[in-house]
Amino acid sequence: SYELTQPPSVSVSPGQTASITCSGDKLGDKYACWYQQKPGQSPVLVIYQDSKRPSGIPERFSGSNSGNTATLTISGTQAMDEADYYCQAWDSSSLIFGTGTKVTVL
Amino acid sequence: QLQLQESGPGLVKPSETLSLTCTVSGGSISSSSYYWGWIRQPPGKGLEWIGSIYYSGSTYYNPSLKSRVTISVDTSKNQFSLKLSSVTAADTAVYYCARIEGSLPARWGQGTLVTVSS
Repeated sequence: SYELTQPPSVSVSPGQTASITCSGDKLGDKYACWYQQKPGQSPVLVIYQDSKRPSGIPERFSGSNSGNTATLTISGTQAMDEADYYCQAWDSSSLIFGTGTKVTVL
Repeated sequence: QLQLQESGPGLVKPSETLSLTCTVSGGSISSSSYYWGWIRQPPGKGLEWIGSIYYSGSTYYNPSLKSRVTISVDTSKNQFSLKLSSVTAADTAVYYCARIEGSLPARWGQGTLVTVSS
């Protein structure tokens, strides 16, 4: 079955750039999206179709996808961005989530 | 404004069947544009897709759960439902319902915790 692998944790200083990777076989041939989940809350879509931002998502969130890796980038990270982040793709009629990354803003 | 609300028992005994319903408001479940899905998250762990359904009844299921899962839709009530049979403690999780747009869950319910315990 298809798997998406993310680093368990990423740390970033306020105002700096955080990059979260999501690795999967030929992931670049599929669309990737990203969700943000804060404690006790439902996930929120922050990036879809590799690099598009839904309405209301700040411009500091951006995405890319090529080869075997999709990347979520948070520029000028703020304390409010501290959360778990999950990538997601569709493969063989199944919706696949990544393993999740905890972003800590130090 | 679209809202999804999960409902159902918060406690289920081992070997029994977990049953949840998602009520959709602010939009029609019969829209040709969307699928409707269930996703779960064990405490402290990641997200797992369970399955999705179209208003016509067409379904997709996670292969790892397919033998135990049934998802159905009731367009007259604007609801869809999940049944998961033969549950064990490993099925303890927050269960979310969501609207699937394209191939992604774009809108989520608030989630409901289901604990499997005797």
